[in-house]
Amino acid sequence: DAKTTQPPSMDCAEGRAANLPCNHSTISGNEYVYWYRQIHSQGPQYIIHGLKNNETNEMASLIITEDRKSSTLILPHATLRDTAVYYCIVRLSQISSGSARQLTFGSGTQLTVLP
Amino acid sequence: NAGVTQTPKFRVLKTGQSMTLLCAQDMNHEYMYWYRQDPGMGLRLIHYSVGEGTTAKGEVPDGYNVSRLKKQNFLLGLESAAPSQTSVYFCASSYDSFGQPQHFGDGTRLSIL
Repeated sequence: DAKTTQPPSMDCAEGRAANLPCNHSTISGNEYVYWYRQIHSQGPQYIIHGLKNNETNEMASLIITEDRKSSTLILPHATLRDTAVYYCIVRLSQISSGSARQLTFGSGTQLTVLP
Repeated sequence: NAGVTQTPKFRVLKTGQSMTLLCAQDMNHEYMYWYRQDPGMGLRLIHYSVGEGTTAKGEVPDGYNVSRLKKQNFLLGLESAAPSQTSVYFCASSYDSFGQPQHFGDGTRLSIL
């Protein structure tokens, strides 16, 4: 899996958009970009993933650059409950059926939403 | 829709005792996983299952056993607990291994004295 680089921490005002960057310059063509978050004392929560195109769901938007070497997770209207550690993970889109590998979380970005 | 449910949420054991952690998912997922999370270590895969009746070793399987007798349940057993197994244990499930995300439970906090 390609290595990812994220800023260790970010602040965001409540109600504003939170834009979390991730660099993955060694990503290969068949690797997805996944975003998870972990709120203190809870399990990791899946947010969104994408391969090449930008993606949007009810939680967030994922913007992937054309060269796929970086991406940005956007929380359009951050709330206090969005305070968490956010993880960007790059992972192969296909492995052989019948096998699995661990989901490797790096250090992530501690997002603090301020009132 | 409960997603992934883990029981118990907390447990304290004495060294040498045994116990079983239960994971249940209601998403009809084929793949299920057990991870442990320790400070500064990130998530480490203990065992996983690619379908009912199957199990396989992950990165750190020693000291643990698992069973997947029903598609919706994945059990993690500690036969003789050791202090090194003090950790937070997370169960996850996914539809497949071809890009679908893993969905996690809220964890079991286990302390071995």
